[in-house]
Amino acid sequence: ELKVEQNPLFLSMQEGKNYTIYCNYSTTSDRLYWYRQDPGKSLESLFVLLSNGAVKQEGRLMASLDTKARLSTLHITAAVHDLSATYFCAVGGRDDKIIFGKGTRLHILP
Amino acid sequence: KAGVTQTPRYLIKTRGQQVTLSCSPISGHRSVSWYQQTPGQGLQFLFEYFSETQRNKGNFPGRFSGRQFSNSRSEMNVSTLELGDSALYLCASSLRPTLAGDEQYFGPGTRLTVT
Repeated sequence: ELKVEQNPLFLSMQEGKNYTIYCNYSTTSDRLYWYRQDPGKSLESLFVLLSNGAVKQEGRLMASLDTKARLSTLHITAAVHDLSATYFCAVGGRDDKIIFGKGTRLHILP
Repeated sequence: KAGVTQTPRYLIKTRGQQVTLSCSPISGHRSVSWYQQTPGQGLQFLFEYFSETQRNKGNFPGRFSGRQFSNSRSEMNVSTLELGDSALYLCASSLRPTLAGDEQYFGPGTRLTVT
């Protein structure tokens, strides 16, 4: 059974700092998704990673995928307050089901 | 291009009742997936429909069902509501089945409260 673990679950950081959110998963997969959710809102798609070594960047966010290590990272560069949100990773299983991590609640202090 | 729409946005029901939620995908998208989000269980996959066929279903009881119409609009139904069914129900659409790895676009959600 596919399990997805994110860490940390809570992260409070200063503006201007760099940090990384980790997403580990338990079985082979070739589909890894990152989403952002603001309080009381729906999910916004950030990245879809489909192959080993895939790297995608959008603004201050960069995501990467290592399928051999079953690990994806979401790196935040020079954080700004607007990036405060909850970030979810999700993994596509062999049975087509998409399993979400518990989310990382990110709070960026001015 | 209009986004994914869900109706109603908010709903209050009592235990034992049933409820139907609707999702209209982005034009041209044929895959619709449903998810339940609760503080305790997080985001959980309910089911996925593509071309009017259910492709798979998550670990939910038979009280949860769905369907998809020829225009790709989808409905999910929950019968005999329980307090634990209170949640935000999200639908997401994509061009192809999720197996293809297309980006999923989420609707605003339906907030269901069961009293």
